[in-house]
Amino acid sequence: DVKVTQSSRYLVKRTGEKVFLECVQDMDHENMFWYRQDPGLGLRLIYFSYDVKMKEKGDIPEGYSVSREKKERFSLILESASTNQTSMYLCASSLHRTPNEQFFGPGTRLTVL
Amino acid sequence: AQSVTQPDIHITVSEGASLELRCNYSYGATPYLFWYVQSPGQGLQLLLKYFSGDTLVQGIKGFEAEFKRSQSSFNLRKPSVHWSDAAEYFCAVGTNTGNQFYFGTGTSLTVIP
Repeated sequence: DVKVTQSSRYLVKRTGEKVFLECVQDMDHENMFWYRQDPGLGLRLIYFSYDVKMKEKGDIPEGYSVSREKKERFSLILESASTNQTSMYLCASSLHRTPNEQFFGPGTRLTVL
Repeated sequence: AQSVTQPDIHITVSEGASLELRCNYSYGATPYLFWYVQSPGQGLQLLLKYFSGDTLVQGIKGFEAEFKRSQSSFNLRKPSVHWSDAAEYFCAVGTNTGNQFYFGTGTSLTVIP
């Protein structure tokens, strides 16, 4: 089975801190994604990557950056965390460039105080 | 632009009753359609998907969905709901021009004894 793991289930940070969220997949998938999930808004795409060192902005990239130095790992970075970035963050991966099933990690619930 | 609408924010059904969750999409070409389920505190799990062919697709846990092009719909159904089906359900559409999925805002299902 595909496994997508995220480094933390729960995280509490302070305003202005730099925050790293890590995601690792073990099935050699080319594509990886970061979403944030908020009540009533569903899942919104922050960034995605279809290859090592490649990244593309999603719908809400402001305030975030990403890094993909290795195929299995995709990191989301909050350069200076703000309270409006309190949310559930979900990582996903998929095979190939054409739409295909995305496999999700368990999520990281981030609280910024 | 692509979009997905789930008109029902919350649905309550009795255990053993039938279920239908609605999903409408907006996309100019043939879409790739997905239903995911999210149990509390968990990531998303794929229930079923439609890429082409038979418009009635079967998924896991006894779920099925029917693609109706004329109505731009992909409704999820289950003939007899179990208490363990209580969760959040997300419809998503993928396109053949990129890697992105577009998610609906979700439908929360409560199952009463």
